Amino acid sequence: NAGVTQTPKFRVLKTGQSMTLLCAQDMNHEYMYWYRQDPGMGLRLIHYSVGEGTTAKGEVPDGYNVSRLKKQNFLLGLESAAPSQTSVYFCASSYNRGGGTGYDEQFFGPGTRLTVL
Amino acid sequence: KNEVEQSPQNLTAQEGEFITINCSYSVGISALHWLQQHPGGGIVSLFMLSSGKKKHGRLIATINIQEKHSSLHITASHPRDSAVYICAPNTGNQFYFGTGTSLTVIP
Repeated sequence: NAGVTQTPKFRVLKTGQSMTLLCAQDMNHEYMYWYRQDPGMGLRLIHYSVGEGTTAKGEVPDGYNVSRLKKQNFLLGLESAAPSQTSVYFCASSYNRGGGTGYDEQFFGPGTRLTVL
Repeated sequence: KNEVEQSPQNLTAQEGEFITINCSYSVGISALHWLQQHPGGGIVSLFMLSSGKKKHGRLIATINIQEKHSSLHITASHPRDSAVYICAPNTGNQFYFGTGTSLTVIP
């Protein structure tokens, strides 16, 4: 099993450019998440999905869009990149045992380091 | 407002020392997770606990729900334990993440 994979690992964009980050998991997990990690701050949730075809906003959704057309994939899009979106992006997935997300171990991807100039 | 406070922020220890990392949180939780972020950036889950104590090898995690406090202990620390340790309480539908404790274990 590959677990959770992210593509690409690194990317440099110019302000205003667009891009899509791909997250894939092969564990048949229901839940998938996109986080960003910035120096001196904890992981912050951008968007998440509780199943194929569903998405929801997290703590910092502005400037991002997501799609979950297939259960194994969760895409994060930046339509018009800004320097404030320079960050390390992590995707995670978890199995839904019910009773909320608190009891489910999250499996993280290796991260994507994005720089917006 | 910080829902999660970890201490210390940075910690340097000699190999073999006993390590304690503390986490205090202000939200009502269903469970609390401890994560380890390797120097290369990868994040793995170490523990999920909702009461009492759990032990995996040299790592021990405890939680006091009434005091809203959790600790992560590492016995007989080793240089390969050098990493950032992140406390992540979960309310049942949302994770909160601490900023992490950066641990360096010197041989």
